[in-house]
Amino acid sequence: DAMVIQNPRYQVTQFGKPVTLSCSQTLNHNVMYWYQQKSSQAPKLLFHYYDKDFNNEADTPDNFQSRRPNTSFCFLDIRSPGLGDAAMYLCATSRDRRSFYEQYFGPGTRLTVT
Amino acid sequence: DQQVKQNSPSLSVQEGRISILNCDYTNSMFDYFLWYKKYPAEGPTFLISISSIKDKNEDGRFTVFLNKSAKHLSLHIVPSQPGDSAVYFCAANGGTSYDKVIFGPGTSLSVIP
Repeated sequence: DAMVIQNPRYQVTQFGKPVTLSCSQTLNHNVMYWYQQKSSQAPKLLFHYYDKDFNNEADTPDNFQSRRPNTSFCFLDIRSPGLGDAAMYLCATSRDRRSFYEQYFGPGTRLTVT
Repeated sequence: DQQVKQNSPSLSVQEGRISILNCDYTNSMFDYFLWYKKYPAEGPTFLISISSIKDKNEDGRFTVFLNKSAKHLSLHIVPSQPGDSAVYFCAANGGTSYDKVIFGPGTSLSVIP
């Protein structure tokens, strides 16, 4: 089945230690998104790619970076995680720019910062 | 500033009865609205949408109603089934958010057998 895969499902990192979360998709979708969701809050868009075109949200901290080496993979890098970065990180895709309303989500990676 | 609000964090409904999930928004430029459903340990999945030119959209047991003047929409599930137990996210699009969706915090629905 075509899907969005996130690895790992659970990630524990130390305060200030860089961490990378990964996302892959077999849908061959053009657009990939990264969301941060804290407990009982709305998923918050961090950034998204239209193909290789990177779009950063204005309020996304500089501590968060992303890479998309090819259509299938997208990475979220947190350069110096703080305790406030503990959250669920959701990756999503959409077929193209006009299909933003129908996004396909992965199961998420829960990040713990100790 | 939360532009999409779901003021009920949780809702319990008896199987067979109607579930009504509510959503309010603040941005009058929003013109497209969506509902996503999320089961535990899974990502959200798209459920149903409505354009601002309509006031109702129906898909099987799921109906979304839009009241633009009140900046309010609701999702009705009739009849409710235990498999509908999930978190439901309301989302909106439009204005400066023309190419993305803004999510609400979600309402956790429990359908009791």
